[in-house]
Amino acid sequence: GENVEQHPSTLSVQEGDSAVIKCTYSDSASNYFPWYKQELGKGPQLIIDIRSNVGEKKDQRIAVTLNKTAKHFSLHITETQPEDSAVYFCAASWDSSYKLIFGSGTRLLVRP
Amino acid sequence: DGGITQSPKYLFRKEGQNVTLSCEQNLNHDAMYWYRQDPGQGLRLIYYSQIVNDFQKGDIAEGYSVSREKKESFPLTVTSAQKNPTAFYLCASSMGGEKLFFGSGTQLSVL
Repeated sequence: GENVEQHPSTLSVQEGDSAVIKCTYSDSASNYFPWYKQELGKGPQLIIDIRSNVGEKKDQRIAVTLNKTAKHFSLHITETQPEDSAVYFCAASWDSSYKLIFGSGTRLLVRP
Repeated sequence: DGGITQSPKYLFRKEGQNVTLSCEQNLNHDAMYWYRQDPGQGLRLIYYSQIVNDFQKGDIAEGYSVSREKKESFPLTVTSAQKNPTAFYLCASSMGGEKLFFGSGTQLSVL
């Protein structure tokens, strides 16, 4: 079955710097890759997603890139702010599967 | 306001006891899900339901049971067969299998 590996497990950056989180998936049939942000004591919230027919997607300070050949995708956050501090999860699934497989999470700390 | 509501926020289970976690959504979503989250780990799928009166096992269904009698509701029962139930439980819903919308979770602990 699908396996998603996520790195790093923790990331500390200075406010205003960029942050990059990387994920690798195992099943070449996967074609949907969302990213979720989870704040302490809350449920995850979808922040951006990408399908395999697109190489890059951007939404303000957040972007996701996908390399299908290498089977990895990354989240890029530019101009980080303290409110970006949270745990970020990547995930992968394939058409009609309803089974989203999550990475183990990255705890991002943005230092003021 | 449309959303997904989980209750209770905190729940305690005694040895040999079954407990039920509630999940209700008013987003008119067809699909609903239960995930388990352990400290420092990702989310693992327990059960999911694509439509009323139908549900499928996820990756860690042993010791859990669900029902889907109404579109809005997808309760999860943690049975006494689940030997390590302490975790944060998350319910989610979606139209189709993408863009899951999560509730705020229930923390289950064993007394």
